[in-house]
Amino acid sequence: DAGVIQSPRHEVTEMGQEVTLRCKPISGHDYLFWYRQTMMRGLELLIYFNNNVPIDDSGMPEDRFSAKMPNASFSTLKIQPSEPRDSAVYFCASSYLAGGLNEQFFGPGTRLTVL
Amino acid sequence: SQQGEEDPQALSIQEGENATMNCSYKTSINNLQWYRQNSGRGLVHLILIRSNEREKHSGRLRVTLDTSKKSSSLLITASRAADTASYFCATAQPTYSGAGSYQLTFGKGTKLSVIP
Repeated sequence: DAGVIQSPRHEVTEMGQEVTLRCKPISGHDYLFWYRQTMMRGLELLIYFNNNVPIDDSGMPEDRFSAKMPNASFSTLKIQPSEPRDSAVYFCASSYLAGGLNEQFFGPGTRLTVL
Repeated sequence: SQQGEEDPQALSIQEGENATMNCSYKTSINNLQWYRQNSGRGLVHLILIRSNEREKHSGRLRVTLDTSKKSSSLLITASRAADTASYFCATAQPTYSGAGSYQLTFGKGTKLSVIP
């Protein structure tokens, strides 16, 4: 398996623009997680899905953030409008058991810079 | 707030030496996991220790868990330059979403530098 795939790897955009991050989990994994990593706050869970259904979105910072999982092999994280404080590395991860009960497999991340 | 807190924040050792990193947490957990992150890369799972286990080994890695002290340690023996990375502990605790639902909470990591 190719592992968790994320695109783009780098994104530079201007404040106010819409940003869409994409993720393809490992086939057969029922759980998908979106994390954000910054120097100040470390790695934070934003939202996770089980069988394509959002289970816990309490980590989503505000309404500008939204996530979808239209099918088992694809998820998006959208920021609209983007702000400079959204600059971070965004990771997608997947696992085959309930989040936390076994290892999570992380993608390479998307480094987002909002100017 | 952070559940797992690693100590030290940074560690620099010579190749061949052992490296020990510690993690403390606040609430009861189902398991504790250690991950490694190389610069510019995603996290890679190293080892998982369940709350009813006290020690676990994997190659050059040794993890201990003391639930009474709410702490864990990761020991890397005979370190190599390739071990240079950030190491994170992550604790699995129940979420508010429902029975059987857990989430991982990560610490801010220990940055390990192994000097050749």
